[in-house]
Amino acid sequence: DQQVKQNSPSLSVQEGRISILNCDYTNSMFDYFLWYKKYPAEGPTFLISISSIKDKNEDGRFTVFLNKSAKHLSLHIVPSQPGDSAVYFCAASADYGGATNKLIFGTGTLLAVQP
Amino acid sequence: DAGITQSPRHKVTETGTPVTLRCHQTENHRYMYWYRQDPGHGLRLIHYSYGVKDTDKGEVSDGYSVSRSKTEDFLLTLESATSSQTSVYFCAINTGLENSPLHFGNGTRLTVT
Repeated sequence: DQQVKQNSPSLSVQEGRISILNCDYTNSMFDYFLWYKKYPAEGPTFLISISSIKDKNEDGRFTVFLNKSAKHLSLHIVPSQPGDSAVYFCAASADYGGATNKLIFGTGTLLAVQP
Repeated sequence: DAGITQSPRHKVTETGTPVTLRCHQTENHRYMYWYRQDPGHGLRLIHYSYGVKDTDKGEVSDGYSVSRSKTEDFLLTLESATSSQTSVYFCAINTGLENSPLHFGNGTRLTVT
């Protein structure tokens, strides 16, 4: 049972345009959400996060939006650059009383930014 | 870069043999994790540790054991490797503070033939 879903395995956008990556979750206990970026043969690197008390968080070209009622979050990259081409993972965690930060990951979306 | 080193980076082994993967950190972080990455599944938590000699299971712990005798080292052992354990294994660390992100190593690609 996939608690965090990324329904688009891949996405292709033109350089300079907006990239929108989507993520849905089913567990209403999730209260912290993250996006990771992964290049081939490297580990995932943390990109941006958002707490469930917010609906938007911005960091430079990256913005994450959270819609709790829809159990949906999205990552916007504006403007997209060829170096953004990577696999993007959505992840979520719930506070069950321990500070373990056990993350549940989605299956990833491969973003290709065309020059 | 978070100071995380995974060894080996690549390994090929035969079914039924024991395998140990090592994760070494230089950040003195309390929490360490082992994840596996497989197509169609994303990253799934195998085991994690919240201190020396303190470990717990993740969502896909069957067939794996872990040990942490020092803060800096977290070992993942496959007692008898199976082909279903062919995967890329990632170690991660974090401070354990609320909502602190995980930082990952560069992974170990394990092939079980």
